[in-house]
Amino acid sequence: EVQLVESGGDLVQPGGSLRLSCAASGFTFNSDTMHWVRQAPGKGLEFVSAIRSSGATYYASSVKGRFTVSRDNSKKTLYLQMGSLRDEDTAVYYCARDSSGWIWGYFDLWGRGTLVTVST
Amino acid sequence: QSALTQPASVSGSPGQSITLSCTGTSNDVGAYKFVSWYQQHPGKAPRLIIYEVSNRPSGVSNRFSGSKSANSASLTISGLQAEDEANYYCCSYTSSSTVMFGGGTKLTVL
Repeated sequence: EVQLVESGGDLVQPGGSLRLSCAASGFTFNSDTMHWVRQAPGKGLEFVSAIRSSGATYYASSVKGRFTVSRDNSKKTLYLQMGSLRDEDTAVYYCARDSSGWIWGYFDLWGRGTLVTVST
Repeated sequence: QSALTQPASVSGSPGQSITLSCTGTSNDVGAYKFVSWYQQHPGKAPRLIIYEVSNRPSGVSNRFSGSKSANSASLTISGLQAEDEANYYCCSYTSSSTVMFGGGTKLTVL
C-alpha cells in the first residue's frame, strides 16, 4: 500500500527539541521531493520544509535556523529535527510527497499527521 | 511572508456552481503556473484536487476546475454536492523557492 506514516509528535516545553519521522512505503521514495506541512489547531496549512532527491533543502522563514529536514533513502524515512520550540510551533505536522519532482507543491500523497504541542 | 488571500467562507445550494478565489502577488501566483488546490474534510489530511492551475489528478471529479488570471487563481465546483462541504486551500510556488498556502475557504452546502 502506498502510504506515509508520521511519528514522534509529543508534548514538549518551550525551548525544547523534538524529532519527527515519516516512514514511506509502496513507492520509490528516493526520487521524490518530500515536504513537511503543518496545521495549527483550527488554522490553515503552512509550509514548513522540503527536501529534494538531491538533498537540497528549503525552509519557511519562521523555522529557518531552528528546524532541519533530512532523509534516509535506505530506510525510506523523512525526518524533521525541531529545536528552540515555541508555542506557535504547536500543530499537526504532515509529511507529503511532491509529485512535481521539484518543489512546486503538488502534494499527491499525505500522511495522517502527528501532533506537536509546545507548552509548559 | 503572508498567506495567499482566500475568502473565509462561501456557501451554495446543491446543484449550483460556486467559485473560490485565491489572490497572491507577482512573486507567487502571478509569476508561476505552479498553483494547486486542496480539499480537506474535518479531521482528515488534505487531498490534491487541482495542480498546475487547471489539471486534475486521476480520480478527481471533473466537477472541479481551475484557472488563473494575473495574480489570482480560482477553483470552480459545478453541480455542488453535499460531500463537497469542506475546507479548500490554494497553494503556489513562490520566488523564495518555497510554497505558500492560502488561509483556506470553508465551503458550506446549504
